[in-house]
Amino acid sequence: GAVVSQHPSRVICKSGTSVKIECRSLDFQATTMFWYRQFPKKSLMLMATSNEGSKATYEQGVEKDKFLINHASLTLSTLTVTSAHPEDSSFYICSARATDRAAEAFFGQGTRLTVV
Amino acid sequence: GEDVEQSLFLSVREGDSSVINCTYTDSSSTYLYWYKQEPGAGLQLLTYIFSNMDMKQDQRLTVLLNKKDKHLSLRIADTQTGDSAIYFCADQFDQAGTALIFGKGTTLSVSS
Repeated sequence: GAVVSQHPSRVICKSGTSVKIECRSLDFQATTMFWYRQFPKKSLMLMATSNEGSKATYEQGVEKDKFLINHASLTLSTLTVTSAHPEDSSFYICSARATDRAAEAFFGQGTRLTVV
Repeated sequence: GEDVEQSLFLSVREGDSSVINCTYTDSSSTYLYWYKQEPGAGLQLLTYIFSNMDMKQDQRLTVLLNKKDKHLSLRIADTQTGDSAIYFCADQFDQAGTALIFGKGTTLSVSS
């Protein structure tokens, strides 16, 4: 299957700082990428849909100024958690869908963010 | 809104078959998916089925779809300890550019 690479896999940061998470589709082009957040023992919650070359669409309750998403190319989307707080600590997972294989959504390995 | 429900736990013995069940509410679902998540890892796409199919088989995996009852199941034949993981059922109602709706995941525990 197609490969989605997410970086970093783990990050610890201090409260008030910003953290950038990258999501890359390695062997396919993805016009649409999705960012999810997973709480312990919970399902994945969609945060936003990222479309290449346009503004991301955020789900209700997700602060767009706090979770900045940039989808600058067909293979890269970034999520920046700005002014991080301990409650932002979570597992963030990105997903990408190939333009020519729209039925299949592939996921990155996730990023464990811990804000201290 | 759309909802996907799964049982939370399943425990089986090595060599037995595992059946993980899922129900969904969206009658417009186009594709339904099964993902596997190992501890601390992302999601691995196991298989998916188009909504006009009743069954899909892929090696040890068999997916059954009952569209009338909105019920999806994943059968793992000859379950191995390496199959221990969380399995997520997911629903997609639009082929183009929409996100998946996930169930809460079923934790499969395989004992030897």
